Amino acid sequence: QVRLQESGPGLVKPSETLSLMCSVSGYSISSGYYWGWIRQPPGKGLEWIGSVWHSGNSYLNPSLRSRVTISVDKSKNHFSLNLNSTTAADTAIYYCSRSYNWNDVGAFDVCGQGTMVTVSS
Amino acid sequence: SYELMQPPSVSVYPGQTARITCSGDASPKKFVYWYQQKSGQAPVLVIYEDTKRPSGIPERFSGSSSGTVVTLTISGAQVEDEADYYCYSADNSGNYSYVFGPGTKVTVL
Repeated sequence: QVRLQESGPGLVKPSETLSLMCSVSGYSISSGYYWGWIRQPPGKGLEWIGSVWHSGNSYLNPSLRSRVTISVDKSKNHFSLNLNSTTAADTAIYYCSRSYNWNDVGAFDVCGQGTMVTVSS
Repeated sequence: SYELMQPPSVSVYPGQTARITCSGDASPKKFVYWYQQKSGQAPVLVIYEDTKRPSGIPERFSGSSSGTVVTLTISGAQVEDEADYYCYSADNSGNYSYVFGPGTKVTVL
């Protein structure tokens, strides 16, 4: 059974880069599926950030594209999110995810438990 | 930017039927997915490709589609179904970008 676990700093200073990692167990990233990130500001709705294929090809939310990088490390079976030039608006719970099939970039059926990141000085 | 529309809230008594609509104007129409999110928990997929139910999801959850409106139906709602429900779909750009609806709070009275 595939399991996802987010990790990274819980506090980031404004203008700095938010970096999170999603460790995957029970499945090899190299075998397929899209691997993605979603976030949820406190008390608000969900937002798709982007997804990446094991080859490294990524698909990003246009509203975040200029600040976001999603990458994979197949040797360590994890994938990462980098979001630069952060502001308080980036404060959110960040979830990593796996797509529900090999063809759909965005829809997911497996999710990590989420990690709260606060952007504050 | 592309938007999906949902009612902010739906209330239902236990055992009754709750219906949540999601509308968007994508052309051609894109598949819609429904996620259930209970307080303090990660979202869970309850319906995919408009009408299909993942394994492990109770049969009381069903999806339907008519024109540009997709509906999530909870037949015989249970207290444990109280949650926020989000519809989710690809946008109109054709560039593999996805959006969530604003969410519907389902209250089981």
